[in-house]
Amino acid sequence: AQTVTQSQPEMSVQEAETVTLSCTYDTSENNYYLFWYKQPPSRQMILVIRQEAYKQQNATENRFSVNFQKAAKSFSLKISDSQLGDTAMYFCAFRYTGTASKLTFGTGTRLQVTL
Amino acid sequence: SAVISQKPSRDICQRGTSLTIQCQVDSQVTMMFWYRQQPGQSLTLIATANQGSEATYESGFVIDKFPISRPNLTFSTLTVSNMSPEDSSIYLCSVEEVTDTQYFGPGTRLTVL
Repeated sequence: AQTVTQSQPEMSVQEAETVTLSCTYDTSENNYYLFWYKQPPSRQMILVIRQEAYKQQNATENRFSVNFQKAAKSFSLKISDSQLGDTAMYFCAFRYTGTASKLTFGTGTRLQVTL
Repeated sequence: SAVISQKPSRDICQRGTSLTIQCQVDSQVTMMFWYRQQPGQSLTLIATANQGSEATYESGFVIDKFPISRPNLTFSTLTVSNMSPEDSSIYLCSVEEVTDTQYFGPGTRLTVL
């Protein structure tokens, strides 16, 4: 079974700075998706970014971008120009392609953006 | 993406009672999921709810404790039965769209006294 590891339980960054959250995963398959979700104190899980494993180009969404290293099984999230509203738990998640496949979540990284 | 609502948003319940959580989607979806998030923890999948068939439960979760209904393609319910304080958690429903991406409802915060 696949595993997802987030080795940073907590991180802090100053407003307007850049921060990188780490995620590694373990799989023997070649076709899968990777996701980053954000969970602010309101508790709603919000999709931040999605990466398809067959795409070499790193996904970007405005201030959010990923560094996808397939051989190293690494999927880090970079947040540029951090804002107070970025304060949240961030979860990395993995899903095989194909129907009826489940999401596997990491343990999460709590990010605090400070003034 | 689909707009998902959950009711109730929070509740405080007594030990031994049951609570039914509703999940409503604004479009038809095939796959719906129910998750539990215990305090300070990540999400754990309880079951997959497919329309027209029995829900598929993950290891450690049983139908008697967490009965699920899926009467149509836009609605599902999860019941937490015979509650104990250990059931205090956030319960989230999600739907999977054709992009194989899951989107989540706002969650239900349950406290059992």
